[in-house]
Amino acid sequence: EPEVTQTPSHQVTQMGQEVILRCVPISNHLYFYWYRQILGQKVEFLVSFYNNEISEKSEIFDDQFSVERPDGSNFTLKIRSTKLEDSAMYFCASSRDSNTEAFFGQGTRLTVV
Amino acid sequence: TQLLEQSPQFLSIQEGENLTVYCNSSSVFSSLQWYRQEPGEGPVLLVTVVTGGEVKKLKRLTFQFGDARKDSSLHITAAQPGDTGLYLCAGARVTGGGNKLTFGTGTQLKVEL
Repeated sequence: EPEVTQTPSHQVTQMGQEVILRCVPISNHLYFYWYRQILGQKVEFLVSFYNNEISEKSEIFDDQFSVERPDGSNFTLKIRSTKLEDSAMYFCASSRDSNTEAFFGQGTRLTVV
Repeated sequence: TQLLEQSPQFLSIQEGENLTVYCNSSSVFSSLQWYRQEPGEGPVLLVTVVTGGEVKKLKRLTFQFGDARKDSSLHITAAQPGDTGLYLCAGARVTGGGNKLTFGTGTQLKVEL
């Protein structure tokens, strides 16, 4: 069964460093998303991406964040200068159409020290 | 801001008991999805309900979407230890850029022998 895959599963980085989280969405899906979940809190929407551009972003997704689809399979989330409060699980998701359900990856646990 | 409140927040029951989890909002959603999340993993889609009043069954799980498409319930019959996990509802708002999800606060279910 097709699935969304994310790498790495766990990333530890020093405050101020850049980090790139990688995702391979389901192959015939056209819409891509990033969500995050701070420990003990709700899953929160960060950004949606379609047709090689951001279609919607939350207020969490500030100038320190960027997304890219560098080739036909990968979808990345970059945090330019990580802060302690960026520590969270980051989930990539994809959906086939704009109104179909999203499928989530296993997540990347980002720890900023 | 759209909010989804789930109740109860925690539920501990014995094997064989029935239970209902509620997901309530003051906002209307285009659809509502139920996920189950294990510790350290991504949400796994259980079901999507779209039409007001819709009822869907998945083995011992019954999902209902409220007539006004603002609330939903998940009923589990004869719970088993394997049902233990975090249950999340997520309301979908369809935009041109995809299917943005607002997640509920979650219900942590524990089923004991």
